[in-house]
Amino acid sequence: DADVTQTPRNRITKTGKRIMLECSQTKGHDRMYWYRQDPGLGLRLIYYSFDVKDINKGEISDGYSVSRQAQAKFSLSLESAIPNQTALYFCATSDRRTSGLVFFGPGTRLTVL
Amino acid sequence: QKEVEQDPGPLSVPEGAIVSLNCTYSNSAFQYFMWYRQYSRKGPELLMYTYSSGNKEDGRFTAQVDKSSKYISLFIRDSQPSDSATYLCAMSAGSGAGSYQLTFGKGTKLSVIP
Repeated sequence: DADVTQTPRNRITKTGKRIMLECSQTKGHDRMYWYRQDPGLGLRLIYYSFDVKDINKGEISDGYSVSRQAQAKFSLSLESAIPNQTALYFCATSDRRTSGLVFFGPGTRLTVL
Repeated sequence: QKEVEQDPGPLSVPEGAIVSLNCTYSNSAFQYFMWYRQYSRKGPELLMYTYSSGNKEDGRFTAQVDKSSKYISLFIRDSQPSDSATYLCAMSAGSGAGSYQLTFGKGTKLSVIP
């Protein structure tokens, strides 16, 4: 069984639609992250959460929002999707006791038309 | 200057070759250094993890960190076609709130030809 799962795995949507990407983990980690990956730009941090009551903006948070529903669940929302949000989105987790070891989910491929 | 520089390749080698992948960085606060392997359409998979300077070996893989030169390397011995993937270096300062955030290189695409 996968330790970090993401749903959906693929999504095609239209400009202006609201989209939610969900992430859940069974690793027992307290920290969760959302990254996006674009060709030529690498992985960039959107939001991160060190516990349920702690949400922080990353490098590229504009146009995104997140919700940490429980220690094991972290969702990413695009309130009004635009084409330049087409990318591969990864959820990731880490444990505060293991100094930066970050584990990634399988990714969601999002296409905004 | 970007915080982490990594040659994107592509790098193509014959099976059995020794592969050397490298990253340079500018932030002297980085203490934790990771290498991730990413197969096409998959999530990055943690391959090697090193704290501070030195070498770490795991099977055919060796990670080296030279903090004085701000330079890290990943060596793959006896490369196999299954090693064909994109390799991402990542690093973090690792202390204080927020400092476990990773800074990634853009990845080097490796192809091992049978």
